[in-house]
Amino acid sequence: AQSVSQHNHHVILSEAASLELGCNYSYGGTVNLFWYVQYPGQHLQLLLKYFSGDPLVKGIKGFEAEFIKSKFSFNLRKPSVQWSDTAEYFCAVKRETNAGKSTFGDGTTLTVKP
Amino acid sequence: DTAVSQTPKYLVTQMGNDKSIKCEQNLGHDTMYWYKQDSKKFLKIMFSYNNKELIINETVPNRFSPKSPDKAHLNLHINSLELGDSAVYFCASSQASQGAEAFFGQGTRLTVV
Repeated sequence: AQSVSQHNHHVILSEAASLELGCNYSYGGTVNLFWYVQYPGQHLQLLLKYFSGDPLVKGIKGFEAEFIKSKFSFNLRKPSVQWSDTAEYFCAVKRETNAGKSTFGDGTTLTVKP
Repeated sequence: DTAVSQTPKYLVTQMGNDKSIKCEQNLGHDTMYWYKQDSKKFLKIMFSYNNKELIINETVPNRFSPKSPDKAHLNLHINSLELGDSAVYFCASSQASQGAEAFFGQGTRLTVV
């Protein structure tokens, strides 16, 4: 069965620190990859996505992610985090042949200390 | 204009009751979903409808019954509510096409007492 693994359950950083959140998936076919963010008390919003082309994708708010096909990974990065980045981050994988269903990782809670 | 709207935002009810959550999207998407987010923030898909037809039904008790009167609406009815049903339920929509992301509603926080 397909799974999506996020290695870091809770990350605590100080402002201006660099961020990298890991995401690995187990499906070997063609996939679309997403990172969503959920700010406290809010719904999920798209940060960025990979569909095809350049494996380094840039999203909103200075986030970027790199798709490494050989490692089945899609790690999220940000060079310098801000207090307002405190949120829950979800990696999601959408299989080409799975009727649009996205499978989500268990999420990573990011706490940024001012 | 809210793209994906759910009502109610909060729902507190007693065990054994029957309740419904409504969802509407105005994005013209052909696929809608219900997700359940538990207290640990884990997000699990429950159902997916494409053009009013059920295409995904994960292992969900049959007390949960989705209904899609048209492709812009996907409602969730829950019978005989149990304590373990307490969670935040998110409706979402997307195109089924490649690369299309999901747009989420604001969530319905269901508390069963």
